[in-house]
Amino acid sequence: EPEVTQTPSHQVTQMGQEVILRCVPISNHLYFYWYRQILGQKVEFLVSFYNNEISEKSEIFDDQFSVERPDGSNFTLKIRSTKLEDSAMYFCASSVAGGERYTFGSGTRLTVV
Amino acid sequence: QQQVKQSPQSLIVQKGGISIINCAYENTAFDYFPWYQQFPGKGPALLIAIRPDVSEKKEGRFTISFNKSAKQFSLHIMDSQPGDSATYFCAANDHNYGQNFVFGPGTRLSVLP
Repeated sequence: EPEVTQTPSHQVTQMGQEVILRCVPISNHLYFYWYRQILGQKVEFLVSFYNNEISEKSEIFDDQFSVERPDGSNFTLKIRSTKLEDSAMYFCASSVAGGERYTFGSGTRLTVV
Repeated sequence: QQQVKQSPQSLIVQKGGISIINCAYENTAFDYFPWYQQFPGKGPALLIAIRPDVSEKKEGRFTISFNKSAKQFSLHIMDSQPGDSATYFCAANDHNYGQNFVFGPGTRLSVLP
């Protein structure tokens, strides 16, 4: 079964540093998403991406966040200057149609120290 | 308005029993209601989903019951097994508004052998 692949599985970074989280969505999917889950809490929407541009973003997705699809397969989330409260599990997801039948990756655990 | 409430927070069921998790929403524009299953260290995986034009959907041991007038929907797991032990999230989406999901806070299910 096709999978969404995320790397790295765990990243530790110092406060103020930039991090890039990487995702390879399922090849025939057209919609890409980033969600995050702070430990023990609910899954929260960050951003959706379609046709090479952001289609929606939440209040969490402020100027320190950016997304990019640098080539035909990768989808990245960049956090410019990490804060302690950015520590969370970050999930990439993709879907064929918008807002339906997401496939999530296994996540990247980001720890900001 | 965009919240999805979920209960109980945790649930313990004996093997072979029925697990019932309930969700409620306020936004009547929501038109797609998936349930996701999440094992520790993994991303959420789509279990089953329903649209508001039907009152029930069954897939194997999993059934969604949907009450449009009450703005409630529930997941029933029949013949619960220890392998069902996971965190379950309900979610909702309004396709006219966008592609992102609003997730409930999750229910941690433990099925005792």
